[in-house]
Amino acid sequence: GAGVSQSPSNKVTEKGKDVELRCDPISGHTALYWYRQSLGQGLEFLIYFQGNSAPDKSGLPSDRFSAERTGGSVSTLTIQRTQQEDSAVYLCASSFGGRQGGTEAFFGQGTRLTVV
Amino acid sequence: SQQGEEDPQALSIQEGENATMNCSYKTSINNLQWYRQNSGRGLVHLILIRSNEREKHSGRLRVTLDTSKKSSSLLITASRAADTASYFCATGGAQKLVFGQGTRLTINP
Repeated sequence: GAGVSQSPSNKVTEKGKDVELRCDPISGHTALYWYRQSLGQGLEFLIYFQGNSAPDKSGLPSDRFSAERTGGSVSTLTIQRTQQEDSAVYLCASSFGGRQGGTEAFFGQGTRLTVV
Repeated sequence: SQQGEEDPQALSIQEGENATMNCSYKTSINNLQWYRQNSGRGLVHLILIRSNEREKHSGRLRVTLDTSKKSSSLLITASRAADTASYFCATGGAQKLVFGQGTRLTINP
């Protein structure tokens, strides 16, 4: 398909384990975003990649969270030593990231992470 | 912290009525976007309005932007049951998109 793909769609993990969430953006999109959404809440910005620029990591809640984007395409969000408060839906989006910033973003369906 | 704040947090109206949601933001922007979210998963882009525009239409949607007041409104006319969803505004500055907390809209038959 031509949309943003996230995997897995659901992940249940034990407290203290590490998890990796994957995002395949739309081909050609230079901007990639990760957000976190707790039940009934808004989208919490986590990290933003734009082309070859240094990523904006200002939203990462702790040093247990990290993300990479390889070859300007696929991105992996890693959460180390998961805690119950990490339980949320993790959403990835991509866009052309125009010079004016913030062009239309296309979202994946998210990964629902449950830490037990 | 979130850049945009939607108001009201929740809105419940009868089918056929118009729904108005508001968004306020804090810093200068290049554009403002509205998104819809069904069932707590992926968001769908609805409309983008640039900072030099004051009003924009798309089908039953009308968006206004007042940069002097740092606010925007989304009007959905002749609402339908399928419009039931959460609606978010997002502000685009030089870089990342920042979302508000959203308005939960319920259309009653």
